[in-house]
Amino acid sequence: DSGVTQTPKHLITATGQRVTLRCSPRSGDLSVYWYQQSLDQGLQFLIQYYNGEERAKGNILERFSAQQFPDLHSELNLSSLELGDSALYFCASSVGGGLADTQYFGPGTRLTVL
Amino acid sequence: AQTVTQSQPEMSVQEAETVTLSCTYDTSESDYYLFWYKQPPSRQMILVIRQEAYKQQNATENRFSVNFQKAAKSFSLKISDSQLGDAAMYFCAYRSGGGGADGLTFGKGTHLIIQP
Repeated sequence: DSGVTQTPKHLITATGQRVTLRCSPRSGDLSVYWYQQSLDQGLQFLIQYYNGEERAKGNILERFSAQQFPDLHSELNLSSLELGDSALYFCASSVGGGLADTQYFGPGTRLTVL
Repeated sequence: AQTVTQSQPEMSVQEAETVTLSCTYDTSESDYYLFWYKQPPSRQMILVIRQEAYKQQNATENRFSVNFQKAAKSFSLKISDSQLGDAAMYFCAYRSGGGGADGLTFGKGTHLIIQP
């Protein structure tokens, strides 16, 4: 158990819908990262937040957005869902925002878009 | 952009034997970090080992060790005394040491099978 929690574990929804994935980092960690794992694209970095502020962006679609709240939990919002958005979404956290910090991953949320 | 290549989609090894998983990467940076993550059937991503590019000494964690060849941009993982619990997907990952996105760049993974 990494100490990173994600809810829900599974999510099934329809095309065009909007969903919110939630992540709580390890106690004391200030940075949160979101990754997408799909059969087509593999593991891709989406976005990073550090202490409530956006720190870095990866291959995140405009239909996706994220935020980190004062209690440091983070939410990833996916809208206008398409079949291709079906994937495993991971949250990871690290102590600080430093590049040397190791990222610890949560168990993931499996999203199925029908 | 940096790329990470794992040329072995699948590897098989007998229990108690040693296996080496390959990883190469492409970068123009001199400062960076390399990682091996394990993903068992539970899908949890578990850190196996990390290596800082500025360190010449290869990292070791119990039965896991790396062979880091900076000039060749190679970062292989050696698993000694393989155990059934080592069966998983293994991902090599790169992180820039300065500039650019702060996320990890992953390879496509190697599926490791342990034969009893």
